[in-house]
Amino acid sequence: GENVEQHPSTLSVQEGDSAVIKCTYSDSASNYFPWYKQELGKRPQLIIDIRSNVGEKKDQRIAVTLNKTAKHFSLHITETQPEDSAVYFCAASESGTSYGKLTFGQGTILTVHP
Amino acid sequence: DAGVIQSPRHEVTEMGQEVTLRCKPISGHNSLFWYRQTMMRGLELLIYFNNNVPIDDSGMPEDRFSAKMPNASFSTLKIQPSEPRDSAVYFCASSLSAAQETQYFGPGTRLLVL
Repeated sequence: GENVEQHPSTLSVQEGDSAVIKCTYSDSASNYFPWYKQELGKRPQLIIDIRSNVGEKKDQRIAVTLNKTAKHFSLHITETQPEDSAVYFCAASESGTSYGKLTFGQGTILTVHP
Repeated sequence: DAGVIQSPRHEVTEMGQEVTLRCKPISGHNSLFWYRQTMMRGLELLIYFNNNVPIDDSGMPEDRFSAKMPNASFSTLKIQPSEPRDSAVYFCASSLSAAQETQYFGPGTRLLVL
């Protein structure tokens, strides 16, 4: 089955800096890669996703890149703000054959200092 | 759209008691997932259903855990008997279909077993 590794486990940055979180996956058949943000005491919520037919996707200050050859994908947050502080999870799925099952990484605790 | 609904939001019980967690997926969604989240183990997939049929229950920790989905709008996760190590936040999530993997999480049930 799929295995997703996420690094770093914790990340501390100053407000305005960029933050990068990286994930690797094991199953070359995976073709859908979402990122979830979980604030303290709240539910995980999708912030961005990418499919294997594209290499990069941006949404305002958030971007995700995918390297299928190396089997890794990354989340980039620019101009970080204190409200970006949360736990971020990456995930991978094999579209269409796994009934939507996602395999999650272990999570990254991002702290943005004012 | 009301989103995924879970009840109760908080549950405190004593070891040995039966616990039933409830979930109502987003209307029209065909896949339903139960997760457990702890600091030590992160976000674990327990079981998931597609069109009310259990697809994979390999994540269910042991026979004390059971899940049902009697219809498209309701699912239960039961723990009998409960143990202190079952203390965790239990999330239910749903997705539109096997080909639409975006999962929408409910608010979670915070379970404490004394």
